[in-house]
Parts: sequence; C-alpha cells; structure tokens
Amino acid sequence: DAGITQSPRHKVTETGTPVTLRCHQTENHRYMYWYRQDPGHGLRLIHYSYGVKDTDKGEVSDGYSVSRSKTEDFLLTLESATSSQTSVYFCAISERRQGMNTEAFFGQGTRLTVV
Amino acid sequence: AQSVSQHNHHVILSEAASLELGCNYSYGGTVNLFWYVQYPGQHLQLLLKYFSGDPLVKGIKGFEAEFIKSKFSFNLRKPSVQWSDTAEYFCAVSSEAGSYQLTFGKGTKLSVIP
Repeated sequence: DAGITQSPRHKVTETGTPVTLRCHQTENHRYMYWYRQDPGHGLRLIHYSYGVKDTDKGEVSDGYSVSRSKTEDFLLTLESATSSQTSVYFCAISERRQGMNTEAFFGQGTRLTVV
Repeated sequence: AQSVSQHNHHVILSEAASLELGCNYSYGGTVNLFWYVQYPGQHLQLLLKYFSGDPLVKGIKGFEAEFIKSKFSFNLRKPSVQWSDTAEYFCAVSSEAGSYQLTFGKGTKLSVIP
C-alpha cells in the first residue's frame, strides 16, 4: 500500500463546530486529493492540490477549505460542520507523467459524523 | 466536462459465474481509464488501468477490461467469480476535460453467493 495516513480515522462532532482532517503521504507525490464517499453518489472530488500552496476546487467544494504548506501534508477543514457533511472522506495521491496523471492511491478513509 | 456512467447498481452472482460490469464515459478525446475495487470497510484499491496501447487490459485477481473507443466503454470482466470478489467496483476516467482529475462512476455493488 502507498504511504498515505489519514487522521483521525473516526470523528463525531457537533453541528457548527470546525473540523480538520489530515492527510500525510510519504511518497513525495505532487498531487493530493480529498474525496467524499456517500451511498449512491460514488466518490466526489472536494478539493485537490497540485503542489505546495497550489489548490483548486472540485465538484463539491462548498463548505470546505484546504491547505497544503508541505508536500507531504494536505488538510481539509470544515469551517462549520453540518449534518450534510456526514460522510466518509478519502485522501488520495497521484503523480504526473507524460502530461497525464497516473493512477491515484487512496488512504484508509475518515468516517465523520456530524450530530 | 467528463462523466462516467456505471449501468448496474447491484449485481448478484453465484460462484463460478462470469462477470461483466458496464462503464461508459463521456469525453471524446484522449482518456485514461481505471477500475477500482472497494472491499467492505476498506479503501479503494486499483484493479487495472488503461493509458494507451493494447485495449485489452489485464489486472489483478483475474480481472480484465476492454477499452472500446467507438463505444466510449471500458467494461470490466472476470470469467469466474469467487465469493471473495464481493465488493463495490468503481470505474473512473481522467482526461483533459476534467483537468486530468479522476471522475468516478457511482459504483456497482457485486454480491457473490457461495
């Protein structure tokens, strides 16, 4: 398995509180991603990063922000958690070769429950 | 924009039956295509990938997929499934239309009955 660690693995939080999820990689890959997985929706991209301090929005970015101050760390923050953000969050990494992104490798996931 | 459609939401098969899961994508240009598997309670793992070359791609655990450009399809096949193949399967596409990010289908849940 690729060296990707997500923390925490499980979290229960209250509506309106801020939450930060962390993704740490040891592969030195350029690209890092945050996805959420919900039944019937597959995986949807929240935000991604293509380098230190370089980030962009994905399909479902509202209510989320990200930061990448080091190559190995990519943080996802829910500024004010809502029940609709209850989900399983996956971090992924990939590289860029010959103008295309390689396959993505996924972390173990973080199960977030907002009550 | 790029998109992926997986035709089957839930497939139920008996052991030793043959499997084919459908996947269609929307973009007409150069694409990279992937199949991932997610076993219950686990993260996604890569089954196989297509970047270029031979359109018949072989992956791990006896899975294969065929890229048919004229049909915008990348169907996953296995000649004989096992109980241990019970999992959810996701097709994904990467292309210029999606800024080379992965777009996933909604997934197909496979249940294999012993």
